[in-house]
Amino acid sequence: QVQLQESGPGMVKPSETLSLTCSVSGGSINSDYWGWIRQAPGQGLEWIGYIYYSGTTSYNPSLKSRVTISVDTSKNQFSLKMSSVTAADTAVYYCAREVDYYDTRGYYSYNRFDPWGQGTLVTVSS
Amino acid sequence: SSELTQDPAVSVALGQTVRITCQGDSLRNYYASWYQQKPGQAPVLVIYGKNNRPSGIPDRFSGSRSGNTASLTITGAQAEDEADYYCNSRDSSGYHLVFGGGTRLTVL
Repeated sequence: QVQLQESGPGMVKPSETLSLTCSVSGGSINSDYWGWIRQAPGQGLEWIGYIYYSGTTSYNPSLKSRVTISVDTSKNQFSLKMSSVTAADTAVYYCAREVDYYDTRGYYSYNRFDPWGQGTLVTVSS
Repeated sequence: SSELTQDPAVSVALGQTVRITCQGDSLRNYYASWYQQKPGQAPVLVIYGKNNRPSGIPDRFSGSRSGNTASLTITGAQAEDEADYYCNSRDSSGYHLVFGGGTRLTVL
């Protein structure tokens, strides 16, 4: 079955760029959407964005100006870059596969995030 | 603030039935998915769409929707169901995804 694993620095300095990679194993990245979700300490889940294997992206409007998600199909990986980080970006970052479902008319109906990576804590601190 | 609203906390007696709700205008057009998260663990999908359960999820978990409210029902709650539960769907624009603020379920 498909498994995901996040990797990247556990600490980033304020104003610098956070970079994380999600490695997909047990299946091909050449289908579905691949997303990033984060969770600040003691807080709820926040959707960051997703990428389709073809490169189409969608981002959370509140983060869009600082976020870039890219995909490397040759390595079966996708990545997150978040610029100009502050302490508010300290969080556990999860990657997940997103599958969309459509109704009989072809309109989007619902989605699921499954599976998820185990998550990686990124602390923004000098 | 989230476009999907959940009660922060709900409690249920062991073996009883509990409903966790998620409200939002977008839910009139889209179904929600539901995730269970236990301390220190990644979220796990428990219900998606109209009422679909991934393999391995007990059948005491079920989902429904009425108007702008999606519900996750646990029939015969067990001690191991104590966790945070999050709903997820598209936002009112239809272009972005959003999570509810989460509901902490306590099993008494």
